[in-house]
Amino acid sequence: DQQVKQNSPSLSVQEGRISILNCDYTNSMFDYFLWYKKYPAEGPTFLISISSIKDKNEDGRFTVFLNKSAKHLSLHIVPSQPGDSAVYFCAARRTGANNLFFGTGTRLTVIP
Amino acid sequence: DAGITQSPRYKITETGRQVTLMCHQTWSHSYMFWYRQDLGHGLRLIYYSAAADITDKGEVPDGYVVSRSKTENFPLTLESATRSQTSVYFCASSAGTGDPRPYEQYFGPGTRLTVT
Repeated sequence: DQQVKQNSPSLSVQEGRISILNCDYTNSMFDYFLWYKKYPAEGPTFLISISSIKDKNEDGRFTVFLNKSAKHLSLHIVPSQPGDSAVYFCAARRTGANNLFFGTGTRLTVIP
Repeated sequence: DAGITQSPRYKITETGRQVTLMCHQTWSHSYMFWYRQDLGHGLRLIYYSAAADITDKGEVPDGYVVSRSKTENFPLTLESATRSQTSVYFCASSAGTGDPRPYEQYFGPGTRLTVT
């Protein structure tokens, strides 16, 4: 049973525009959320995170929004750059645990 | 070099063979994890470890064995490899409670395993 869902397998965006990647979760015990970026033949790298006590966290071009009532989070990349082309994974941590649950990933392609 | 490393990077083995994938981290992180990545499934947790000599099952532990005799090493063994274990395997580590970023996991480069 997939507790973290990324329903869009792929997304294409023009360079300079906004990329919005979405993630839904089902477990109300999740209290910390992370986004990872993965290039081919490399391991995932941490991008940005958010605690459930916040609804927004920003780091440069990357902003994560959390809507707890909807059990939904999104990653905004503004402006998108060709180097952002990668697979993005959403992950969640359950209260009291240290392991993460990952979504299936969204492949972002930024078109120059 | 500091960080987290995996070896081998690529491995081809036959059904029924025993295979061990190695993982080494230099941060002295308490937690270490093994994941497999398969199309349509994302990253699925196989096993994890909270400290030396403490391990626990993840979502898909069947057919795998782990050990952690030293904090920095976390080998994953496939006791009798099957074709369904063909996958890309990632090791990760995190600092755990007490660190400013306790839950962020840092991943190795992965091992691509093919079982024929």
